[in-house]
This record gives sequence, structure tokens and C-alpha cells, in this order.
Amino acid sequence: DIQMTQSPSSLSASVGDRVTITCRASQSISVHLNWYQQKPGKAPKLLIFAASSLQSGVPSRFSGSGSATDFTLTISSLQPEDFATYYCQQSSINHLTFGGGTKVEI
Amino acid sequence: QVQLVESGGGVVQPGGSLRLSCEASGFTFSSYGIHWVRQAPGKGLEWVAFILYDGSNQYYADSVKGRFTISRDNSKNTLYLQMNSLKSEDTAVYSCAKDLAVQSSNSDALHIWGQGTMVIVSS
Repeated sequence: DIQMTQSPSSLSASVGDRVTITCRASQSISVHLNWYQQKPGKAPKLLIFAASSLQSGVPSRFSGSGSATDFTLTISSLQPEDFATYYCQQSSINHLTFGGGTKVEI
Repeated sequence: QVQLVESGGGVVQPGGSLRLSCEASGFTFSSYGIHWVRQAPGKGLEWVAFILYDGSNQYYADSVKGRFTISRDNSKNTLYLQMNSLKSEDTAVYSCAKDLAVQSSNSDALHIWGQGTMVIVSS
């Protein structure tokens, strides 16, 4: 299976900060990489699909980039509602795998 | 609106069985692949299984292969997960999720998620 490694596992930030989360795949996955946001007690929400495509309804302060093995999720100006855990996930093969998650805290 | 509602969770002894259901509404169920994903208490997301839109192929995580079976009834807009030989490490919230891709043999992204049903494996 393809292993997904996210970093950092947690970070502290303030409202207005630019935040970057990275995700590395154990082998090339082209652009088959998705990003999700999960708040406590809630279902995950799709933010970015195909590495850089913004899901409908997601604020433009979220962006994704990368290809092959290295990917990035960027929040350009952190808002209070963005404090959550973020997961990357590969869909290169039908045996999906998630990264370990990044908790964004105040 | 597009909705997925899971049911069937509960407490079961190690070695026991349980069948989860996921009822879909608000979209053409027979056109989309559907996944099961689980999350153990305080842990991250773990993909469990995936079934194509027409039920022609199923895919499983190594951790559940041979013990779990994913199936669907497109006439009832319902997805199932039959879980046998349950272990304590299967304790988690189990959620179904609709794939983004339409009538595709490949997964795209997990677009819409249900709220999940809790499974506790304990003696």
C-alpha cells in the first residue's frame, strides 16, 4: 500500500497567520491527492481534490499544490473556524490511504 | 439534500459479527462508488472498503480483508458492511462516504460523509 506521511502532526497558530501543511507519498501518485478538514464530533469535509482543485463552497483562502510525492495545503489567512484537524488522502489506487492528520490549534 | 445515514452499530464480543447499513438519499445512488471509513477513539481516519457504483468490484484494507464484506443494493439505495471475526482493534466510528466520481472504476475523492455509527468490540 501507499503510505502517506503528514507534517507537522500539530501546530499552533494565530488568526491571520499563513499556515502550511505538507504530505508526502511513499511512491508517485501523480495528482491523486485530496485534503479534508475535520472538526471534533463532525464528519470530515472535502476541501481540495486532485491536489489543487478547490471543492465547491470552500473558501479561497484554502489552496493545494504539488504532484508525484510531495504536496502542500496552504491556508493563506487563518480564520477562527479553521481550527481543526486536516488529513491528506491518496486515491491513486483503489486501496486508499490517509495521512496521520495535522491538528491546527490556537 | 444529499444524505448518508449509517445504522447497525453496537457492542459485540470479540469474535462476533455485526452488519452495518448506510442509507442514501438525495442523489442517484447507483451512479456512485461508496466507501466505508473508520475512526478509532482519539485516532485518525482509516479507509476500510470501497465498492464500485454497480457493485462489480470491491476493495479492502489489509486490516479487514477476509473478515469484512462490503455490498450494496441499488434498488434500496443502501450500502452494507458485514463484519465477522471482530477484534478489539475494530472498535471505531464507522462512516460511509460517497465518491466524487460518477460511474467510474476508480476512486476520486470522498465527497459526502455520513455522521457514522459506533462499533465497540469488548467482552
